[in-house]
Amino acid sequence: DAMVIQNPRYQVTQFGKPVTLSCSQTLNHNVMYWYQQKSSQAPKLLFHYYDKDFNNEADTPDNFQSRRPNTSFCFLDIRSPGLGDAAMYLCATSLTGGYGYTFGSGTRLTVV
Amino acid sequence: AQSVTQLGSHVSVSEGALVLLRCNYSSSVPPYLFWYVQYPNQGLQLLLKYTTGATLVKGINGFEAEFKKSETSFHLTKPSAHMSDAAEYFCAVSEDGSARQLTFGSGTQLTVLP
Repeated sequence: DAMVIQNPRYQVTQFGKPVTLSCSQTLNHNVMYWYQQKSSQAPKLLFHYYDKDFNNEADTPDNFQSRRPNTSFCFLDIRSPGLGDAAMYLCATSLTGGYGYTFGSGTRLTVV
Repeated sequence: AQSVTQLGSHVSVSEGALVLLRCNYSSSVPPYLFWYVQYPNQGLQLLLKYTTGATLVKGINGFEAEFKKSETSFHLTKPSAHMSDAAEYFCAVSEDGSARQLTFGSGTQLTVLP
């Protein structure tokens, strides 16, 4: 089945140690998104790629970066994780002209 | 600018009872509206969506929602709650037809009591 896959499901990292979360998709969707979701809150958009064009939300901290080497893969890099970055990170995809997103199962990040 | 308000951060119903989760939106153009469900430690799953046409939209798992422009509402209902419906539900709005920019409500946690 076509899907959005996030790895790993659970990630523990040390305070200040760079960490990378990955997302892959078999849907051939041209738009990919990264959301941060803290406990009992709505998902918050960090950035998205429209094809190869990177779009950063104005309030996304510089600590968060993203790479999209090809249509199928997208990475979220956190350069120096702080305790406040502990959250569920959700990857989603959509197709231009389509409606709604397809989400991955998320990666829960713990910072120790 | 678009926004979504979900009334009631927690809703409890008895198994077999009607489920009603409320969503009101604000949009400067005809909106596209969505309901997503999130189970613990999972991503969001699309329940249903309204784009154009029929205002009563049927989704998966027996859920449906009605778009009421005059009330700027898109409430989610299910006639008979099941224990497996316990989850977090998010309403979302998009003014962009390509759905590149979804704005989510703050979510409603549904508890189903035996």
